[in-house]
Amino acid sequence: DAKTTQPPSMDCAEGRAANLPCNHSTISGNEYVYWYRQIHSQGPQYIIHGLKNNETNEMASLIITEDRKSSTLILPHATLRDTAVYYCIVRVGQGGSEKLVFGKGTKLTVNP
Amino acid sequence: GAVVSQHPSRVICKSGTSVKIECRSLDFQATTMFWYRQFPKQSLMLMATSNEGSKATYEQGVEKDKFLINHASLTLSTLTVTSAHPEDSSFYICSARGPGPYSGNTIYFGEGSWLTVV
Repeated sequence: DAKTTQPPSMDCAEGRAANLPCNHSTISGNEYVYWYRQIHSQGPQYIIHGLKNNETNEMASLIITEDRKSSTLILPHATLRDTAVYYCIVRVGQGGSEKLVFGKGTKLTVNP
Repeated sequence: GAVVSQHPSRVICKSGTSVKIECRSLDFQATTMFWYRQFPKQSLMLMATSNEGSKATYEQGVEKDKFLINHASLTLSTLTVTSAHPEDSSFYICSARGPGPYSGNTIYFGEGSWLTVV
């Protein structure tokens, strides 16, 4: 079973920041938080991941709370092409046996 | 990022026949690949973990004799749906763990393969 909780849907205005929350209250100390998104009828696209420090790349920023029980994915300037289902995933397993178990994700709709 | 490619992207087969889907890591070697299935409007469901040179590990409830997985090389894993039935029609997606020995290395996904059994 997925170890994360996300709102089922969110809306965002084009050009504004989209902040997608995720709760992972049972996360272990060595488990990473991963974010992927899936545009309709395509394979999931990797966005970003982190362990405990905040992370930023060309796509997004990831803010992880100090207790690591929740995180927020930030798309700084959302565009219509960012409309997708966003998955927050805690990587299950360790030592080479890691796998990604998907929950239901958040359907983000970016409106013009 | 690393590239994972699937083939075919779409396939239609007759009920009772078998169909093979290939998953390739194009620019890196992947000792571990994963196979998922996704029904319309649902999330991805992990079917099995494929390790190069060894038998795949199947998730609970997935029939290993129906969904044959072969990971014969570091860049290729195949999923064969045997004796396909219409209820096997789905979106099948593979993924591969990127290069590096660390727990934090990224898993990349293929484009997915649509299977329709008629």
